[in-house]
Amino acid sequence: GAGVSQSPSNKVTEKGKDVELRCDPISGHTALYWYRQSLGQGLEFLIYFQGNSAPDKSGLPSDRFSAERTGGSVSTLTIQRTQQEDSAVYLCASSTGTGNVHEQFFGPGTRLTVL
Amino acid sequence: GDSVTQMEGPVTLSEEACLTINCTYTATGYPSLFWYVQYPGEGLQLLLKATKADDKGSNKGFEATYRKETTSFHLEKGSVQVSDSAVYFCALSDNTGRRALTFGSGTRLQVQP
Repeated sequence: GAGVSQSPSNKVTEKGKDVELRCDPISGHTALYWYRQSLGQGLEFLIYFQGNSAPDKSGLPSDRFSAERTGGSVSTLTIQRTQQEDSAVYLCASSTGTGNVHEQFFGPGTRLTVL
Repeated sequence: GDSVTQMEGPVTLSEEACLTINCTYTATGYPSLFWYVQYPGEGLQLLLKATKADDKGSNKGFEATYRKETTSFHLEKGSVQVSDSAVYFCALSDNTGRRALTFGSGTRLQVQP
């Protein structure tokens, strides 16, 4: 079956522009996560969605970052007024959200470069 | 808060050598532990997992044992192959709430023929 997909795979933008990154989770997965992988910070959690509950935004680094999830499926991560330190690979993961261990399946990531 | 510490890389080995990548963690409660692998040009893949103390996760010849007394989850393989060259991440997930993963910094393994 289809795995987690993300688009675009690469995004180059100029400082100060807004960008939108998209994630399509595995069908039927109720939990969705965004992570960021950067040279300086490693892999870090950004935001978590579970079903129709309010998202856990505790990992977002600033108020320039926001995310939404429509219809409990597709998610969009938006970064406003991008800065050079936002350059990173943004990873999306999904899981069933049930059971004892929530194994997360990762997408290929979106590489964001802010010039 | 929770944290994961893993050995610095890169680790360079010859084919058929033994591998150990150390991983220790700090967490409240009883986390689940994972090893993820990232092959060149590919996304993160789950390699193995363990959910409670003394559990041993294994896959593709790799093993790791959940040691609560030493808060460790070292990754081992008896005989590495060139195809094992990748970056390996140790991670934990708390078993309450969001279950987000906390990752170590990653260890790059390079296996030479």
